[in-house]
Amino acid sequence: GEDVEQSLFLSVREGDSSVINCTYTDSSSTYLYWYKQEPGAGLQLLTYIFSNMDMKQDQRLTVLLNKKDKHLSLRIADTQTGDSAIYFCAESQGGSQGNLIFGKGTKLSVKP
Amino acid sequence: DTAVSQTPKYLVTQMGNDKSIKCEQNLGHDTMYWYKQDSKKFLKIMFSYNNKELIINETVPNRFSPKSPDKAHLNLHINSLELGDSAVYFCASSQSPSKRGVYGYTFGSGTRLTVV
Repeated sequence: GEDVEQSLFLSVREGDSSVINCTYTDSSSTYLYWYKQEPGAGLQLLTYIFSNMDMKQDQRLTVLLNKKDKHLSLRIADTQTGDSAIYFCAESQGGSQGNLIFGKGTKLSVKP
Repeated sequence: DTAVSQTPKYLVTQMGNDKSIKCEQNLGHDTMYWYKQDSKKFLKIMFSYNNKELIINETVPNRFSPKSPDKAHLNLHINSLELGDSAVYFCASSQSPSKRGVYGYTFGSGTRLTVV
């Protein structure tokens, strides 16, 4: 079945890099997504990666995809207190036309 | 201007009551969803509608009934509310899967339901 796994908590110091990891099961996933949920708010699409890419960089964000191991990571450089949030990994079930399956979310705490 | 809007934002009600949550999207999407987020922040899909037709109905008590009067609206009606229904309910929308591509889902800001 489809399952997306993430560790539940990550704590870093301001200015350090954060790396949030995710494993997924559906090898036909065409797109993989990272969503951010700030306290009291809904989920916002942060970034995505197409399955034929190994890496995608967008300012302080770097997404790495290891398709062989079905492993996705999100690196946040120079982490700021405003990055404190829950980060959800999501895969598209059954290829590009499937529904999104979300992980349980990783709560990132940034200490000053 | 809000892309996916839900009302109300907060809902406190007594056990046994019936309540509705409304959702509207102005993005021109043709697929809408209801998710439940529990106290541990885990997200579970409840329902999905595509062009007003139900396409996903996960194992949800039949006290929960979605209604989609048109493709821009998806409401959630809950009968005989129980303590365990307390959660944050999120509405989301997307293009139909064949057109969705990189855009994923757009989420509303959630309705925090508290049953006392």
